[in-house]
Amino acid sequence: DQQVKQNSPSLSVQEGRISILNCDYTNSMFDYFLWYKKYPAEGPTFLISISSIKDKNEDGRFTVFLNKSAKHLSLHIVPSQPGDSAVYFCAASILGGFQKLVFGTGTRLLVSP
Amino acid sequence: GAGVSQSPSNKVTEKGKDVELRCDPISGHTALYWYRQSLGQGLEFLIYFQGNSAPDKSGLPSDRFSAERTGGSVSTLTIQRTQQEDSAVYLCASSLQTSGIVAGELFFGEGSRLTVL
Repeated sequence: DQQVKQNSPSLSVQEGRISILNCDYTNSMFDYFLWYKKYPAEGPTFLISISSIKDKNEDGRFTVFLNKSAKHLSLHIVPSQPGDSAVYFCAASILGGFQKLVFGTGTRLLVSP
Repeated sequence: GAGVSQSPSNKVTEKGKDVELRCDPISGHTALYWYRQSLGQGLEFLIYFQGNSAPDKSGLPSDRFSAERTGGSVSTLTIQRTQQEDSAVYLCASSLQTSGIVAGELFFGEGSRLTVL
C-alpha cells in the first residue's frame, strides 16, 4: 500500500528551465510534507517542507505547492541547474505523532547544460 | 563527527548468515530511525527510537530483524539468517525532537549497502 506516490521515475530538463516534480498521497491524515534530495552514494538531505495550513512555501529557487483537496504536492525548481541533478523523494507525516516519515519512490532529475 | 555515521558502508554476505549494521547519530539527537531502500523502491520505515526505547518497530519485516540503541546514542540493526530479499541499502537517520513540535527534518547517514548472495 503505497501511501505516497511519485509516478514519474525520471525527469529531464534543460539548464535554466523549470523543473516540476509531482507527488500524490492517499492518507488524508498527513499534514506535513517534505522533499529530500539524494545524490548517489549519499544519504538523502532535507530540501524543503510545508505544513497543511499552507499551500505554498518558497526557499530560494525551490517552491513547494500543496493542494490538499487533490492530495497532491509539487516541487518547482527554477531556474534548474546541473547541480540539481539527483533523486528527489517526497515524504509525508502526521503532526502530533512522532515523525514517521512515509516516503515516495523518488524521481530522478537530470538537468542538462 | 558532525553527521550521522554508518558502518559498514558495504556488506556482502551469504544467505543464512547474521549481519550487524551500526549507526552513530548526531550528538544530542534523541530520535533515531532506520529505513531501508530496496532496488526501485522508496525509503521503507523500519523502526524508530526515542532515547533507548523503540515506540514504533512496526516496520521491521520479520522477527529476523531486531535493533537496539544504547546510551541514547549508537544503534545496531541486526538481521539474522539473512535472505536474498534482505538486500538493500539500510539508512539511519537522526533528528532533534523538540517536545510538542515536529522538527520535520531528518539527518541521514550514507547508508549501509547489504548484498545477500
